[in-house]
Amino acid sequence: GENVEQHPSTLSVQEGDSAVIKCTYSDSASNYFPWYKQELGKRPQLIIDIRSNVGEKKDQRIAVTLNKTAKHFSLHITETQPEDSAVYFCAASNNAGNMLTFGGGTRLMVKP
Amino acid sequence: NAGVMQNPRHLVRRRGQEARLRCSPMKGHSHVYWYRQLPEEGLKFMVYLQKENIIDESGMPKERFSAEFPKEGPSILRIQQVVRGDSAAYFCASRPRTGGNTIYFGEGSWLTVV
Repeated sequence: GENVEQHPSTLSVQEGDSAVIKCTYSDSASNYFPWYKQELGKRPQLIIDIRSNVGEKKDQRIAVTLNKTAKHFSLHITETQPEDSAVYFCAASNNAGNMLTFGGGTRLMVKP
Repeated sequence: NAGVMQNPRHLVRRRGQEARLRCSPMKGHSHVYWYRQLPEEGLKFMVYLQKENIIDESGMPKERFSAEFPKEGPSILRIQQVVRGDSAAYFCASRPRTGGNTIYFGEGSWLTVV
């Protein structure tokens, strides 16, 4: 089955700096890669996703890149703000199974 | 369009009791997933269901856990004879039958076993 590794497990940045979270996956058949943000005690919320037919996708301060050959994808948050502080999860799935396999999460702390 | 609805939000059970967690998917969604999140940990897949059908239960513990998604009514995750290690947040997610892989999570049910 699919295995998703996520790094780092914790990340502390100064407000205004950029944050980068990286994930690798094992199943070359995976073709859908979403990112979820989870605040304490809340549900995971989809913030951006990318499919394997594109290499990069951007939405305001958030961008995701995908390298299919190396089987890794990354989340980039620019101009971080304190409200970006949360746990971020990457995930991967393929059309066949449709089940998302999640990485272990990254706790992002943005210091004002 | 209401989101994925889960209840109860918080549930306390004594060891040996049964816990039943309910999930109503978003309107128009026919696929339901259950994930478990232990404190300070990630989301672990448990089971994937369509109406009246279990598609993938590879993440379900072999004993005490069961899930169903009947033709009418919510999906139910049932945990029999709960133990302390079952204490966790249980998230339900749903997606439509067609239109891609995006899944949307409910607010979760927090189970505490005392």
